[in-house]
Formats: sequence, structure tokens, C-alpha cells
Amino acid sequence: KNEVEQSPQNLTAQEGEFITINCSYSVGISALHWLQQHPGGGIVSLFMLSSGKKKHGRLIATINIQEKHSSLHITASHPRDSAVYICAVANFGNEKLTFGTGTRLTIIP
Amino acid sequence: DGGITQSPKYLFRKEGQNVTLSCEQNLNHDAMYWYRQDPGQGLRLIYYSQIVNDFQKGDIAEGYSVSREKKESFPLTVTSAQKNPTAFYLCASSVPTGSNYGYTFGSGTRLTVV
Repeated sequence: KNEVEQSPQNLTAQEGEFITINCSYSVGISALHWLQQHPGGGIVSLFMLSSGKKKHGRLIATINIQEKHSSLHITASHPRDSAVYICAVANFGNEKLTFGTGTRLTIIP
Repeated sequence: DGGITQSPKYLFRKEGQNVTLSCEQNLNHDAMYWYRQDPGQGLRLIYYSQIVNDFQKGDIAEGYSVSREKKESFPLTVTSAQKNPTAFYLCASSVPTGSNYGYTFGSGTRLTVV
């Protein structure tokens, strides 16, 4: 079973700062997902990665398959980015996901 | 717009009662999932269904039951056998995207046992 670890667990930053959230996993995967959970609880899928880098607006996600590590970056952070960010991985041949415990991000105006 | 609808958003249940959480999708996805979220823990899989009239237990299926009579619907029943049912429940669906699967999540149901 894949173990997924995220760091930090909690992160508070000032508006405008560059944010990095990390995710490590223990077993080779077919894809890694970054998810965003707002205070109401609903989850939005941000990225699905199997290699390299993806960018959407101010969000950038990277993955290093050899090191079993992924990072989510937020540039020019804004209070509306405040949420829990969750990393999840899919093992080869298995569409089920294994989830990290999440990183709670708070951006202060 | 296509998506997943979970209802109700908040649910209160007395001990010893069964309760059913609704999950409906109009995305035409074959696979659907139920997850449970507890504070400080990652989402854990309760049940999943890859096709109509078929479903499999996940990691924490004890005390729960599901049905998949229609492609659009995957209701979850929390039975009185579930020892600690107070939690946040999320429904999801997936569709093949290349060699992987893209996921869509609902907005969740928060169940409290009183």
C-alpha cells in the first residue's frame, strides 16, 4: 500500500508570498492528483500529473518520478487561496486513490 | 453543468438508526466512490462501483452498505452497526483520461450522531 506524506501540515503566509506544498509517496505510481478543499468541504481537482510540470493560472504542479516527490506552488498568493490542499496517488493498474492528510494553507491579507 | 450532487449537506442521526446519503452524477461516469474524512486523516475509501449493479468494499466498509441500480446514482447507507459514524462523507466519480483516471468530487455530507 502506498504511503503518502505531505508537508507542511499547516502553512500561514502573507498575501503575495510564493507558496510551496510538498508531497512524497513510497511506491511507484501511474498518476498524482492535487486537490483543493474549501471550508465548506467540497473538493476540486486542480491537477493530474504523471510526469513533468503543469501550470494553471497562478498554480504550478511538478512531479519527480525518480524521487517519488511532487510539489504544488502558488505564485502571488491571495486570501482566496486559503484552503486545504490534498495530494493523492493512483497506483499502476488501479484507479483507486490513496490520499495524504492535507496541508491547511492560510493567506493573511 | 455536469457534476456530482450530494444531499443533504448536514445530517443528524440518532444512535441505532440507519441513514442514507444521496449521491447523483450527470457526468456519465462509470465509476463512483464513497470516501470518509476524519480530522487529521486522509480520505478513506468505503465502497466503490465500476459499473451498474456491481460494487466492491473499500478499506473501511464495515457498517456501511451501497447500491448501484442506476449509472447516475450511488447511495450510501450508514447502518447502526457502524461504531463511529460521525464524519464527513464525500462521493466521487471517475472517467478514464488517457492511461489514467480523472476524478470529480461532490460537496460532501456532514453526518453527526446525536
